[in-house]
Amino acid sequence: QQPVQSPQAVILREGEDAVINCSSSKALYSVHWYRQKHGEAPVFLMILLKGGEQKGHEKISASFNEKKQQSSLYLTASQLSYSGTYFCGTHPSRGSTLGRLYFGRGTQLTVWP
Amino acid sequence: GAGVSQSPSNKVTEKGKDVELRCDPISGHTALYWYRQSLGQGLEFLIYFQGNSAPDKSGLPSDRFSAERTGGSVSTLTIQRTQQEDSAVYLCASFPGGGYGYTFGSGTRLTVV
Repeated sequence: QQPVQSPQAVILREGEDAVINCSSSKALYSVHWYRQKHGEAPVFLMILLKGGEQKGHEKISASFNEKKQQSSLYLTASQLSYSGTYFCGTHPSRGSTLGRLYFGRGTQLTVWP
Repeated sequence: GAGVSQSPSNKVTEKGKDVELRCDPISGHTALYWYRQSLGQGLEFLIYFQGNSAPDKSGLPSDRFSAERTGGSVSTLTIQRTQQEDSAVYLCASFPGGGYGYTFGSGTRLTVV
């Protein structure tokens, strides 16, 4: 039930945009996105609960297509501080956001000046 | 406290010794999770506690691993007869449920020599 993230790695220049995808073979109730900087713990970015919902955080937004069982994270006008590994975590159960998350393998994002 | 506290932050142990890792979650959070992360890898689920329910131990890799959560708060992960493949960063996360995300602790870096 581990979701598949793509791409595995992205290299950007400051100001460029990127999209990270997260796909699951199972029906999803929610999707979490986290960012982990080297040597630090993952930090929560956002949670998406409904199909087609879009959320935003700074210049980072995400969509969740429940029918396609996938979510995408959009990074707009990337900044140096966006560098890190991005993980999606999927929650397959319905009716509750509790229970374990299944995390993807991560997407390593590097932003150069 | 304001965040999730884990101790020790680093632990070096000899192969075959037992170790205990501690997690002090955010007060009032319903759920507590243990994950581990090997160098450059994703987040591997170990165990999940929710309230007074029986824990979900489905991620524990062997019977050398056990965990408990006392009084619905502090949790201890115990690894008996440590092996070199147990070397990893062990992350604890607490979660209030609903539309929020996990708050991870800074982790315990375990090195088995």
